[in-house]
Amino acid sequence: GAVVSQHPSWVICKSGTSVKIECRSLDFQATTMFWYRQFPKQSLMLMATSNEGSKATYEQGVEKDKFLINHASLTLSTLTVTSAHPEDSSFYICSARPPGGSKDTEAFFGQGTRLTVV
Amino acid sequence: AQTVTQSQPEMSVQEAETVTLSCTYDTSESDYYLFWYKQPPSRQMILVIRQEAYKQQNATENRFSVNFQKAAKSFSLKISDSQLGDAAMYFCAYRGTSGSRLTFGEGTQLTVNP
Repeated sequence: GAVVSQHPSWVICKSGTSVKIECRSLDFQATTMFWYRQFPKQSLMLMATSNEGSKATYEQGVEKDKFLINHASLTLSTLTVTSAHPEDSSFYICSARPPGGSKDTEAFFGQGTRLTVV
Repeated sequence: AQTVTQSQPEMSVQEAETVTLSCTYDTSESDYYLFWYKQPPSRQMILVIRQEAYKQQNATENRFSVNFQKAAKSFSLKISDSQLGDAAMYFCAYRGTSGSRLTFGEGTQLTVNP
């Protein structure tokens, strides 16, 4: 199957600093990528849809100025958590779906990034 | 808006036995796609099985099969001959025909007892 790579796998940062998470589609071009947040033992909550060459679409309640998304190329989307605080500590996951495949082609997920803000 | 509900937060099964995980959903669309994803302790999301709504035949992938009841908007996952490696969080997910956005259920934590 297609490969989506996410980096870093885990990161610890100090409160007030910013952290960037990268999501790359390694063997396909992704015009759209998705960013999810997952708290322990809970489901994946969609934060935003990243669109190549245009602004991201944020879900209700997600602060776009805090979670900056850049999708500057067809294989890379980045999520920057700005001025991170302990409550931003979570597991962040990206996904992308190869274009042009059959309609039931599944989405592929990155390995996730565990962010801890201290 | 579409919603997906998994009413079983936790399930357990003996190794080699069969277990069924429940999922219901709500949608006004006539065609859509349903998925079961597995999230083991590594937290990597892995596709288990998929079903397209217009296909009446239930999908099967080796030990995994679904019972898709479109009228009842039900999409349960049956795991036969359960193995220790099946222990994971299982998520039911819905995708409409437009776009690639997935809507996930709350998840069911499956424990496999030796």
